[in-house]
Amino acid sequence: EVQLVESGGALVQPGGSLRLACTASGFTFSSYAMIWVRQAPGKGLQYVSGISTSGGSTYYANSVKGRFTISRDNSKNTLYLQMGSLRAEDMAVYYCARVDPNSALDYWGQGTLVTVSS
Amino acid sequence: QSVLTQPPSVSGAPGQRVTISCTGSSSNIGAGYDVHWYQQLPGTAPKLLIYGNSNRPSGVPDRFSGSKSGTSASLAITGLQAEDEADYYCQSHDSSLSGRVFGGGTKLTVL
Repeated sequence: EVQLVESGGALVQPGGSLRLACTASGFTFSSYAMIWVRQAPGKGLQYVSGISTSGGSTYYANSVKGRFTISRDNSKNTLYLQMGSLRAEDMAVYYCARVDPNSALDYWGQGTLVTVSS
Repeated sequence: QSVLTQPPSVSGAPGQRVTISCTGSSSNIGAGYDVHWYQQLPGTAPKLLIYGNSNRPSGVPDRFSGSKSGTSASLAITGLQAEDEADYYCQSHDSSLSGRVFGGGTKLTVL
């Protein structure tokens, strides 16, 4: 059974940093591109960042470019999102998702909440 | 302001048919990129509902169908059931933004 479990969400002050992790199981992690999607309270889904199977290619939404870094460790079946210079507008539930061969997001984690507040 | 435009809400009685539109532009849907649809039940993570414009993953009832034409796509739900009450999102790729884009989401209410 495919499972994605996010962790690392917390309360952080504006300007602070946080690292999220997404641990995968039930499939060959290294064979799939992965992405992060976030959802602010009461709002819609927003693409954050994506990474290729090897980690050699990374992609970012303009709103997080230069502040967030996506990475993966295929030996640990884990996806990461290093977030820096956090702002109030970064407050959201962050989901990791698997990218299927059709480029759809076929499996999602349960999400981890990031709260940015002083 | 989402790149893909969806109606904020739709509603229908049990057994009825509803459609949810997703309007894009020449840099996303109109450029030939596939549209995918997700269902998000209250308090849960999104779930893939339709992929590649009109394909259903295993386990998704055939009451759900998708289509695409020009710069728009649609999700149709027939035989509405109470458990269909959820938020629905379309998603595609945008060449000018070089990334995935989502619609703003549509809340379906089953009357």
